[in-house]
This record gives sequence, C-alpha cells and structure tokens, in this order.
Amino acid sequence: QVQLVESGGGVVPPGRSLRLSCRASGIIFKTYVMHWVRQAPGKGLEWVASISYGGDDADYADSVKGRFTVSRDNSKNILYLQLNGLRADDTAVYYCAKEGVFRGFDYWGQGTPVTVSS
Amino acid sequence: DIQMTQSPSSLSASLGDRVTITCRASQSIATYLNWYQQKPGTAPKLLISGASTLQSGVPSRFSGSGSETDFTLTISTLQPEDFATYYCQQSYRTPPTFGGGTKVEIK
Repeated sequence: QVQLVESGGGVVPPGRSLRLSCRASGIIFKTYVMHWVRQAPGKGLEWVASISYGGDDADYADSVKGRFTVSRDNSKNILYLQLNGLRADDTAVYYCAKEGVFRGFDYWGQGTPVTVSS
Repeated sequence: DIQMTQSPSSLSASLGDRVTITCRASQSIATYLNWYQQKPGTAPKLLISGASTLQSGVPSRFSGSGSETDFTLTISTLQPEDFATYYCQQSYRTPPTFGGGTKVEIK
C-alpha cells in the first residue's frame, strides 16, 4: 500500500534552518508530482510547494518563496523540503502529499511538526 | 490566486441528518475541485476529486456536485465517524488553494 513518511521536524529558533524528508513506498515515485502542505496550530490547510516528476520544475507559495526549497531523489524515493530563514509564522505541521487525478492530493503522510521559537 | 470560500464555517447536526457544505471559487475552475475530511491529529483524507468522483473506499453517503464556481459536498445520512472538518480545494491553477474549512459537530 502507499505510504508517505515524513521526518525532520523539530523546534528551532527564528532564522535557523531545517530539512524535512518524506520517504515514499508503494508507488512508482518518479512518476508523480509531489507537494508539501502545512497547517498552523488550529488553522486551515496551506499549500507550500510542489515539484515535477523529474525534479526540474518547482512552484512555491509566495509566503515561502526565496526561503524554502523543494527537491527530490527519485533513486531513493525521497522528497525534501529545505526550510531556511525560519520565522514564527512558519510554525506548523508539514505534510507531504502525492498528486492524483484532477491534481487532488490522494495520499498524505502523517505530518512532521515544525516549531519556530526562541 | 483563486480564493475559495466555504460555508458554513461550522455546523451542528444529528446522526442521520443530511448535511450540505458549499464552496465557492473566485473564478471558474471547471470541475477541478476536491474535498477532504480531516479528523483531529490526523492528516487530511481525499474524499472526492474532480467535483464528483468518489475516491475508492469512501462511503456512498458522500457525494459532490457543481462546476465553474459553485460546488457542494453532501453527506446523505450523517454517521458518527463523519464528525470532522471538511475542506474544499481548487486544483485548476497554481497555487492550489483551500477553503477555510467546515467543522461538523454533534448537536
């Protein structure tokens, strides 16, 4: 069955960096567009970034553009999100998600929490 | 960016009730509209994609309809496991955007 497992979250002070990982299994990873979506405490869902099958094209939310970088290693079935210049409003649970038909997000990881606090 | 407006933001309903949640897009999105269910402490789950296509394993009491700018999620007979927060999301144009959510609570 499809499994997406995130890791790498934690508590960091403002301005620091973090790298999140999402390991995929049960799918032909290299054939799917992948996304990161986040959810601040008690808030709704916010799309963060997406990356094409081959990893050569990426899009970002305006709120993270220039600070976050999405990448993938198709040989290892791993999706990454590099978070630089972290701010308090980046505090959230970060989910990786697989894109399906109609570009909906048909599989999600369990999420990894990121807390930005001094 | 395309804005997605859900209503109501919350509702109270009883077991067996018919529940309807609406979602409006700020511009036409054809049928690139998806619905998710999220329970506390868990990841969202895709219920419906393409406005009306039920995902495998999702009970048939869930249905979706609409096109262009106006969409509806209906739960025909509310069950205990349906108490959750529901989100719509447009996938017509990047960035994909979500509605604010509708929390379905027990009356």
